[in-house]
This record gives sequence, structure tokens and C-alpha cells, in this order.
Amino acid sequence: ELKVEQNPLFLSMQEGKNYTIYCNYSTTSDRLYWYRQDPGKSLESLFVLLSNGAVKQEGRLMASLDTKARLSTLHITAAVHDLSATYFCAVERVYTGNQFYFGTGTSLTVIP
Amino acid sequence: SQTIHQWPATLVQPVGSPLSLECTVEGTSNPNLYWYRQAAGRGLQLLFYSVGIGQISSEVPQNLSASRPQDRQFILSSKKLLLSDSGFYLCAWKVRAEAFFGQGTRLTVV
Repeated sequence: ELKVEQNPLFLSMQEGKNYTIYCNYSTTSDRLYWYRQDPGKSLESLFVLLSNGAVKQEGRLMASLDTKARLSTLHITAAVHDLSATYFCAVERVYTGNQFYFGTGTSLTVIP
Repeated sequence: SQTIHQWPATLVQPVGSPLSLECTVEGTSNPNLYWYRQAAGRGLQLLFYSVGIGQISSEVPQNLSASRPQDRQFILSSKKLLLSDSGFYLCAWKVRAEAFFGQGTRLTVV
């Protein structure tokens, strides 16, 4: 069974600070996705990381993937209130059915 | 461009009643389709996925079922709802390395 673990589960940070969310998974995978979810809403796609060493950046968010360590990170730079949301990573089992398995989510609150 | 439609947006159903949630995708062919459930304040649980018409794989044994009668249509059903079926149901599609979600259906079983 594929397990996807995120930490921290809850994160409260001040505006302007930096922080990193971690996503560990238990089996080999070549694709890692990051999503954002606002309260009561669906999921918004942020990044797709397709290979080892992939790094993608959009605004204050940067995601990276280390397939050997089975680890992805989502780094937040100089946080602003608008980034408050729940962030999920998801691992795709590319060669055994394309199932997506989600992490537990990280609820981020940015305090002014 | 590809779009995904999911309805209804909200639903309140009594225990023991049937359920039918529908999801359709436009602008793409032969997508992988998925149904997820999210309990309040929790993560996403994969319920069913489909790689083609009539091909359904179940991840969690329960009183729900799924069908894919057409290439871009995915239906989640139940014959008799339980209280524990309440949650936020999300349909998703994937083609190659892109995966997107519908707007979700918030189901409350009373």
C-alpha cells in the first residue's frame, strides 16, 4: 500500500517568513503533484514534478522532487496572507494504474 | 481547453436513499477518471478510478459503486446511503501529466 505523509499537518506563520512543507511517500514514483485547497472549495493544481531533481517555481512557492529519497518539498518564501490554504501533495503510480494517492494535507495560516 | 463538470454542487439525502453523482469531461479523449471523498477537515480518499469505458477499479470496499458508460462520463452511485457517506466528493481527470478536479459535491446524509 502506498503511503503519502505530509508534515507539518498545521502551520501558522507570520507574513514575510519562509517555511517548507515536506511530502514523503513509501514507494517508487516518478510523478508528484502539489495542489491547493481553499475552505469549501475544490483543488487547484499548483505543480507537477515529473522527474528526479525537478524544481518548479510560481510566485512565492517553489516545489522540488527527490525520487531517490522519495521526498518532495514545497517552499514558501516571504509568506503573504493570500497563501493561507490547505496544501496537498499527491503521488501518481505511473506504471501500475495511474492511481493518485494524496498526503494528509498541510493547513497553512499566514498571520499578518 | 479541457473542462470538467460535476453536479450537483450540494446534496442532502436521507439515510437509505439512493445516490447518483455525475462527472463529465470536455475537450479531451480517453482520460483517466477518478472519484475521491474528503471527510470534513481530512485528506482525500481515492474511491474509484477508471482508465477506459467500462473499466472501474475500486480502492475501498463500501456501499458505493462507479460506472463509466461513456469515455468522458463517470458516475458514482449508491443503492442505500449511510450516515458515514457524508463528505465532499471530488471527480478528477488526468491525461498524460495533467490532473484536474471538478468543483465537488458536498453530500450530507441525514
